[in-house]
Amino acid sequence: GEDVEQSLFLSVREGDSSVINCTYTDSSSTYLYWYKQEPGAGLQLLTYIFSNMDMKQDQRLTVLLNKKDKHLSLRIADTQTGDSAIYFCAETLTNTGNQFYFGTGTSLTVIP
Amino acid sequence: DVKVTQSSRYLVKRTGEKVFLECVQDMDHENMFWYRQDPGLGLRLIYFSYDVKMKEKGDIPEGYSVSREKKERFSLILESASTNQTSMYLCASSEGGSNQPQHFGDGTRLSIL
Repeated sequence: GEDVEQSLFLSVREGDSSVINCTYTDSSSTYLYWYKQEPGAGLQLLTYIFSNMDMKQDQRLTVLLNKKDKHLSLRIADTQTGDSAIYFCAETLTNTGNQFYFGTGTSLTVIP
Repeated sequence: DVKVTQSSRYLVKRTGEKVFLECVQDMDHENMFWYRQDPGLGLRLIYFSYDVKMKEKGDIPEGYSVSREKKERFSLILESASTNQTSMYLCASSEGGSNQPQHFGDGTRLSIL
């Protein structure tokens, strides 16, 4: 099956930028998503990008997609303590459009 | 706003019990999903449903079954609970068609003793 990989942990200082990375193996991805999970809660959709786009910006969030390298990143500008959470990338594929393939999640810790 | 409600936030059951986890969504979504979340493993799909009375196995269906008698409700059933089913269970829903974003409930943390 599809393999979606993320680093497990990331620590940044408050006010710095955070970059969370994700790699995937199947080149037939159609959409790629970023979700945020706060402690004790479900997943909240942050943003998503169509696979023929290179970049999408939404306020403090910038998504970059390198389709050749099968690499997706989420940059959070001016990171705040409220950004501390687990971040999941996910993708859908051309032939299984209803099914999401999730990464293992990156736990972001923001140090005051 | 989409609302996905899971009936319990925390649940403690005993080995061998039959366990029901309930999920209700209020946006008339066609698709509904059950995942389990374990540290270091991310989310793993147990079952999903794209219509009433329809179900499809996900990646780890063993030991589980599901029921979708009404469009808004998707139930996950542990036929005979075992300790290795202790986990966080997440329900999600999405509109019909491909590539629609999934919307999640707050999860049920299930402990099997």
